[in-house]
Amino acid sequence: EAGVAQSPRYKIIEKRQSVAFWCNPISGHATLYWYQQILGQGPKLLIQFQNNGVVDDSQLPKDRFSAERLKGVDSTLKIQPAKLEDSAVYLCASSFWDTPFDEQFFGPGTRLTVL
Amino acid sequence: SQQGEEDPQALSIQEGENATMNCSYKTSINNLQWYRQNSGRGLVHLILIRSNEREKHSGRLRVTLDTSKKSSSLLITASRAADTASYFCATEGDDKIIFGKGTRLHILP
Repeated sequence: EAGVAQSPRYKIIEKRQSVAFWCNPISGHATLYWYQQILGQGPKLLIQFQNNGVVDDSQLPKDRFSAERLKGVDSTLKIQPAKLEDSAVYLCASSFWDTPFDEQFFGPGTRLTVL
Repeated sequence: SQQGEEDPQALSIQEGENATMNCSYKTSINNLQWYRQNSGRGLVHLILIRSNEREKHSGRLRVTLDTSKKSSSLLITASRAADTASYFCATEGDDKIIFGKGTRLHILP
């Protein structure tokens, strides 16, 4: 079974630039999550989709972050404009069901460096 | 804010020894999960324990949950070099999942 795919794996940008990350979940998984993991900390949930609808985006900085999941499959996360504090690893995860206590499968992440 | 807090922050043990790490949380939960993260395999789900369970086993892993103390422990028996990783507890309550800061485990040869 193919895992969660993410691209790019690494990205370096200057502050105030824009960046986009892509995620393709495991086939058949209804729920997709985006997490931000700052060095030395645990992942922080940014947004959760069930199919193509948003379940929880309470911790998404909506003034600069946006995410979409068209057709309920793959998803993109965008930051515009980026700030220095956005430097982190952005993790995508998916799960079969829509409940958080279902096992989540994580992708390898995209490491973002904002200079 | 972080719900789960792991203790210790870092742990080094000899290969073959047992490793114990703890997680404390603040509010009521429905379940608690443990995840492992290393550079090779990313973040991987290890085990889930529900609020009405007290102990659970999976291979060399043993997880306990004490809801009265709002704490959980993860025991890894007969540690191996491949167990070197960061371990996170993740609590689920009110349909939100929150990860702690993690324990960094280093297995010495």
